[in-house]
Amino acid sequence: DADVTQTPRNRITKTGKRIMLECSQTKGHDRMYWYRQDPGLGLRLIYYSFDVKDINKGEISDGYSVSRQAQAKFSLSLESAIPNQTALYFCATSDLQSLASNEQFFGPGTRLTVL
Amino acid sequence: GENVEQHPSTLSVQEGDSAVIKCTYSDSASNYFPWYKQELGKRPQLIIDIRSNVGEKKDQRIAVTLNKTAKHFSLHITETQPEDSAVYFCAAFFSGGYNKLIFGAGTRLAVHP
Repeated sequence: DADVTQTPRNRITKTGKRIMLECSQTKGHDRMYWYRQDPGLGLRLIYYSFDVKDINKGEISDGYSVSRQAQAKFSLSLESAIPNQTALYFCATSDLQSLASNEQFFGPGTRLTVL
Repeated sequence: GENVEQHPSTLSVQEGDSAVIKCTYSDSASNYFPWYKQELGKRPQLIIDIRSNVGEKKDQRIAVTLNKTAKHFSLHITETQPEDSAVYFCAAFFSGGYNKLIFGAGTRLAVHP
């Protein structure tokens, strides 16, 4: 089945380290997103991309960067991790060509802990 | 700015009772309103959605209503079952600039047998 996958699923790192979270999808979707989830704050958009040449900041992009290496791959980097970036990170995709739905399909999530 | 408020943050009901979750949004141009369910340790998944040209949509035990004038929409779950226990997120599709979904903070629903 077409799916959205994320690696790693869990990561513990130290303050100041560079971290990359990767997202791949086999759905053939053009649009990809990175969210972080914190208790009581819901899902907040970090960055999103509508195609390989398109990158846009979301609500909370400070301290993060992204790279859209291919239609199927969208990676999120923390250049210098800090403890308040400890969260659950989700990648999501949606289909530009679908007029019936703006549904987003989520990956399984990456739990990141910054000590 | 773009904002979606969701209430309540937690909801506890007895099995068989109904549950209602409410959301308000800030952008009157929003035209798509999905609801996602996230079970413990799982990814969010779409359970129902509604577009701005429709006032109500129903799918078995779940329904969503939309009041465009008041800019609020609600999720209704009838005859709740323990497997309905999860976190539910509403969202609104903001079309200004680049199209994107803004999510509410979530409601943790607990259904007690």
